[in-house]
Amino acid sequence: KAGVTQTPRYLIKTRGQQVTLSCSPISGHRSVSWYQQTPGQGLQFLFEYFSETQRNKGNFPGRFSGRQFSNSRSEMNVSTLELGDSALYLCASRDNQETQYFGPGTRLLVL
Amino acid sequence: QKEVEQNSGPLSVPEGAIASLNCTYSDRGSQSFFWYRQYSGKSPELIMFIYSNGDKEDGRFTAQLNKASQYVSLLIRDSQPSDSATYLCAASKAAGNKLTFGGGTRVLVKP
Repeated sequence: KAGVTQTPRYLIKTRGQQVTLSCSPISGHRSVSWYQQTPGQGLQFLFEYFSETQRNKGNFPGRFSGRQFSNSRSEMNVSTLELGDSALYLCASRDNQETQYFGPGTRLLVL
Repeated sequence: QKEVEQNSGPLSVPEGAIASLNCTYSDRGSQSFFWYRQYSGKSPELIMFIYSNGDKEDGRFTAQLNKASQYVSLLIRDSQPSDSATYLCAASKAAGNKLTFGGGTRVLVKP
């Protein structure tokens, strides 16, 4: 099976802009989670979607949002970008055994 | 106190030796535990998971869980230079899917 795919892989934006990141899970996986990884805070949970419904949300401001489509593909959106949003954004899809598999990530740089 | 704690390292290990990584967690509701390996600039890849007290072996890796002591460990036998990476410990609760990560332990295997 193909792994988790994320697009784009790299992104440069300026403060105040918004960005949309995309994730396609492993075929057959219905759960998608998003994480932010920074050198200072490490890997932090953003939110999880299952069957188009947000099931869990981390401690991030409302500028961070997401959604999931009927084919399990997911997008996350960050509005009004801040310098501190520069990070590696990781998507993970989950199988029935609760194991999460990560995609390659999208590296976002906010200038 | 962080929910999942790891020694940041670096843990320097001679080639062929055993690397021992430790992880403690504070939430007694945590049920499942995962070890991921992350090479610099790459996304985390799953090494193994453990749910029950005791040891679980997979090739050169052994995970150990002690729920009473809230302690998880990972042993890497016959360490190879290719094992040089950051090892992330993560915990999740049975009812949810959010992974809470430790800060990671950097391992350096010297030839």
